[in-house]
Amino acid sequence: RKEVEQDPGPFNVPEGATVAFNCTYSNSASQSFFWYRQDCRKEPKLLMSVYSSGNEDGRFTAQLNRASQYISLLIRDSKLSDSATYLCVVILDTGRRALTFGSGTRLQVQP
Amino acid sequence: EPEVTQTPSHQVTQMGQEVILRCVPISNHLYFYWYRQILGQKVEFLVSFYNNEISEKSEIFDDQFSVERPDGSNFTLKIRSTKLEDSAMYFCASSELQANSNQPQHFGDGTRLSIL
Repeated sequence: RKEVEQDPGPFNVPEGATVAFNCTYSNSASQSFFWYRQDCRKEPKLLMSVYSSGNEDGRFTAQLNRASQYISLLIRDSKLSDSATYLCVVILDTGRRALTFGSGTRLQVQP
Repeated sequence: EPEVTQTPSHQVTQMGQEVILRCVPISNHLYFYWYRQILGQKVEFLVSFYNNEISEKSEIFDDQFSVERPDGSNFTLKIRSTKLEDSAMYFCASSELQANSNQPQHFGDGTRLSIL
């Protein structure tokens, strides 16, 4: 099983749509989870941390399911500017700080 | 908003030459990191650095690589004898010092390293 696994997409959605991405991780003891976004040939930018109880930031909602070892990101009312690759990122081992990245899910929002 | 800065933005080097990539982390951050991303592949962890020493490193970070904090602001990655497969985007990141590891890491905009 890959350490952090994502559907590569692409997800092509119209403006205003709701889209959801899932990600699975291999280590049940993992404690820290994040979603980053990456535009083409740019650096990863933190979108949001993912907390056990789930959390929301504007149009973005992140959920964590520890029993099934998956993380989700929901984007409501998609904008053209949301077009990017969304990276699921996990600190796999307790006490470490190294980020393990998924390969990313590409989102293309169309007018 | 404070940011991590990296120089140069693009470095072209002959195979076998040494290269030094430079980073200025966010000023109140105490943990520093290097990652790389080969074109078309995922971002991979190389090394983390705290209190003037390496705290973690990956299998990629072999004897050809070294890191240093030569002064109070810069953090450098040196590749001693570059290989073609070292061609990648290299990202520096930094994070605050907190007891838990949940502090997010903030990335610089990267140095594209091209080995000829």
